[in-house]
Amino acid sequence: AQSVTQLGSHVSVSEGALVLLRCNYSSSVPPYLFWYVQYPNQGLQLLLKYTSAATLVKGINGFEAEFKKSETSFHLTKPSAHMSDAAEYFCAVSDRGRDDKIIFGKGTRLHILP
Amino acid sequence: KAGVTQTPRYLIKTRGQQVTLSCSPISGHRSVSWYQQTPGQGLQFLFEYFSETQRNKGNFPGRFSGRQFSNSRSEMNVSTLELGDSALYLCASSLGPSATNEKLFFGSGTQLSVL
Repeated sequence: AQSVTQLGSHVSVSEGALVLLRCNYSSSVPPYLFWYVQYPNQGLQLLLKYTSAATLVKGINGFEAEFKKSETSFHLTKPSAHMSDAAEYFCAVSDRGRDDKIIFGKGTRLHILP
Repeated sequence: KAGVTQTPRYLIKTRGQQVTLSCSPISGHRSVSWYQQTPGQGLQFLFEYFSETQRNKGNFPGRFSGRQFSNSRSEMNVSTLELGDSALYLCASSLGPSATNEKLFFGSGTQLSVL
């Protein structure tokens, strides 16, 4: 069965600094991978997804993630943090329908320091 | 196009009671999945319905149940509430089954507090 681990439940970066949120997955087959963002008092929104096309995936709001099979990672990055990026971020994995579930990580809360 | 609508937004119940939560998916979406969100545990999958059939179920006790109607609206029921059931319950809809590359559209959730 697939699983996903997000390293760091809280991450703080200064405004303008690089954002790096870590995600490692486990899957017996090439997975689909996703990053979702949750702003306060809202549901989750899809930032980006990997479905076996290009390994570098660009998403909304300047975020991107790189699929690295050798490291079983799908880290989320943004070159320059903005105050509006403060939110909780969830990495998720799907085994392409074999297990019929999408599994979410426990989330990383991103804090932006002025 | 209206988004995913969950009602009620907030709910306060006491132990032993039962509760029903409602989710209206985006028009045309046939899949509805439910998640329980708690601090530190992230999102835990409850179950998914597609065209009125339960496709999969997470590791929750039988007190948690759901159903989907012919118009794709879904309800989730929790019987004999326990304090540990306090959580944000999120519903997500998608065109096809969620465990593919489908984008999930989430509602704002129902915040359940069990006293």
